[in-house]
Amino acid sequence: EDQVTQSPEALRLQEGESSSLNCSYTVSGLRGLFWYRQDPGKGPEFLFTLYSAGEEKEKERLKATLTKKESFLHITAPKPEDSATYLCAAEGGTSYGKLTFGQGTILTVHP
Amino acid sequence: DAEITQSPRHKITETGRQVTLACHQTWNHNNMFWYRQDLGHGLRLIHYSYGVQDTNKGEVSDGYSVSRSNTEDLPLTLESAASSQTSVYFCASSDRAGGNEDEQFFGPGTRLTVL
Repeated sequence: EDQVTQSPEALRLQEGESSSLNCSYTVSGLRGLFWYRQDPGKGPEFLFTLYSAGEEKEKERLKATLTKKESFLHITAPKPEDSATYLCAAEGGTSYGKLTFGQGTILTVHP
Repeated sequence: DAEITQSPRHKITETGRQVTLACHQTWNHNNMFWYRQDLGHGLRLIHYSYGVQDTNKGEVSDGYSVSRSNTEDLPLTLESAASSQTSVYFCASSDRAGGNEDEQFFGPGTRLTVL
């Protein structure tokens, strides 16, 4: 059974204070590791897909990295508008198109 | 612009009633998915479809059904609503044809309350 675990559950940062969110996964034959951002009352918004260990992708203040067991979402010099819930999801080798989601990390950035 | 829409956005119903939640996408995607999101459980897959006339059960399919008669729509039916089905429901779509990014695009969600 595919499993995805995110930590911490919640993270409070001061504006400009860089940090990382963790996503550990147990998936048979990883096809892809996905990061989403979700704002209150809205659907998840796609950020990144990573396909193989060692891959990195960046978008503004966010950088996602992948190893064989976990993924990190690094947030550099965050701003209050980065406050959201960040979701990680994995697609396993026997689960074409189906994502297993973690419970998310609630990020709050204070000005 | 292409998009994915859900209706209604909010629904209150009574235990035992049949409820149908609509999902419509204009990307012409083959794959469509229904999830529910609850505190402490994250997003869980209910049903999914890889194309017209194809439907499959997900992790939490009991009490739900879907049908796919065209590419654009995947309605979710709660056959006899139960209080345990109070949740926020998200529809998503994806298409692998020709692209490297396999992301699912999510709708805005439907908040369902079963009294």
